[in-house]
Amino acid sequence: DQQVKQNSPSLSVQEGRISILNCDYTNSMFDYFLWYKKYPAEGPTFLISISSIKDKNEDGRFTVFLNKSAKHLSLHIVPSQPGDSAVYFCAASAGGAQKLVFGQGTRLTINP
Amino acid sequence: SAVISQKPSRDICQRGTSLTIQCQVDSQVTMMFWYRQQPGQSLTLIATANQGSEATYESGFVIDKFPISRPNLTFSTLTVSNMSPEDSSIYLCSASIYRGVRPGNTIYFGEGSWLTVV
Repeated sequence: DQQVKQNSPSLSVQEGRISILNCDYTNSMFDYFLWYKKYPAEGPTFLISISSIKDKNEDGRFTVFLNKSAKHLSLHIVPSQPGDSAVYFCAASAGGAQKLVFGQGTRLTINP
Repeated sequence: SAVISQKPSRDICQRGTSLTIQCQVDSQVTMMFWYRQQPGQSLTLIATANQGSEATYESGFVIDKFPISRPNLTFSTLTVSNMSPEDSSIYLCSASIYRGVRPGNTIYFGEGSWLTVV
């Protein structure tokens, strides 16, 4: 039972353009969502999070949008830079439990 | 952001042996977790490391295979017992840090321990 899904295994974007990574979830109890960036053989690096009481959160080049009715969230990166090339994971938790359920990840490649 | 240190960062282990991974957080934290990422897979929660009591394991993970210690609010260990090649994974320690955002805290991760079982 995949409660958090990232349906695009990979995404390729031109440098300077916007990267949009998508994530869907099925568990309506999830109330906190996070995005992580990960390089091979390293731990995930926290990027940005959003609580279910909000529909948007911004931090520099990163913006996360949450659509609760659609059980969908997205991460926007603008402008995209070559250093953004990595695997991005969406994660969710329920009721402050802080245990995370992860999506399968999307490999983002930024082309010069 | 919190600094979470893990060691070893990587190791090659013989089948049938056990290895203990250490996790140190630079501040006192209430919640610590252990995750696994098998090759080509997503991250999966193994257990919650509870300070002063037995760890809480997720479905599919048992104490005999993955014993966990949490002697204080900054340190935890995960042992991978009687290893087989299927245990080759990155093992990740994480900690929940309050940053003033309700309802959830921010979850930070260590650098990971990459184990290869031969």
